[in-house]
Amino acid sequence: DTAVSQTPKYLVTQMGNDKSIKCEQNLGHDTMYWYKQDSKKFLKIMFSYNNKELIINETVPNRFSPKSPDKAHLNLHINSLELGDSAVYFCASSQEAARAEQFFGPGTRLTVL
Amino acid sequence: GDSVTQMEGPVTLSEEAFLTINCTYTATGYPSLFWYVQYPGEGLQLLLKATKADDKGSNKGFEATYRKETTSFHLEKGSVQVSDSAVYFCALSVSSGGYNKLIFGAGTRLAVHP
Repeated sequence: DTAVSQTPKYLVTQMGNDKSIKCEQNLGHDTMYWYKQDSKKFLKIMFSYNNKELIINETVPNRFSPKSPDKAHLNLHINSLELGDSAVYFCASSQEAARAEQFFGPGTRLTVL
Repeated sequence: GDSVTQMEGPVTLSEEAFLTINCTYTATGYPSLFWYVQYPGEGLQLLLKATKADDKGSNKGFEATYRKETTSFHLEKGSVQVSDSAVYFCALSVSSGGYNKLIFGAGTRLAVHP
């Protein structure tokens, strides 16, 4: 069974559109994350939720809105997509602990044309 | 602020060569340190970790020792294989508002040739 899954795996869309990426984890973890990996492979955290509450919100445009309907799911909605949003987006989860390992999903490659 | 610096890649080696990927960090407090590996087209997987000074993390023949005095966590492997070709990320875990977040280095691509 996949521990952290994301859909879709690939997403190609036009500038100005609105799109969502979904993430689910079946590890029973309390905390989930969204990361963005740019074309140079640099990874940066965007958001983190703990038990459905937003706990980390890095400097991300407000066109990005995460939503956590329950602690096993964390979705990412992006409004008015821009060319610079093209990247691979990774979801991750961990237990609520200061030094907990994070488990990553396979990534969603978003291409904005 | 907290940060991780890795040696730039790509690192190109022949099979069975010795591997070192350097990683140094800047952090307040006492972070945990990690190495993650990303195989082509896949997500990140934890390779090894160390949670306190002088700890050695090891897995699949890879090792790294948490050196507080040099703020380093260099990744080593005695004999690399073609299947080790991947991007390797050094990361530290810092507390943010009572929760942890990972800060990654820029990644180092390793290419191993037969």
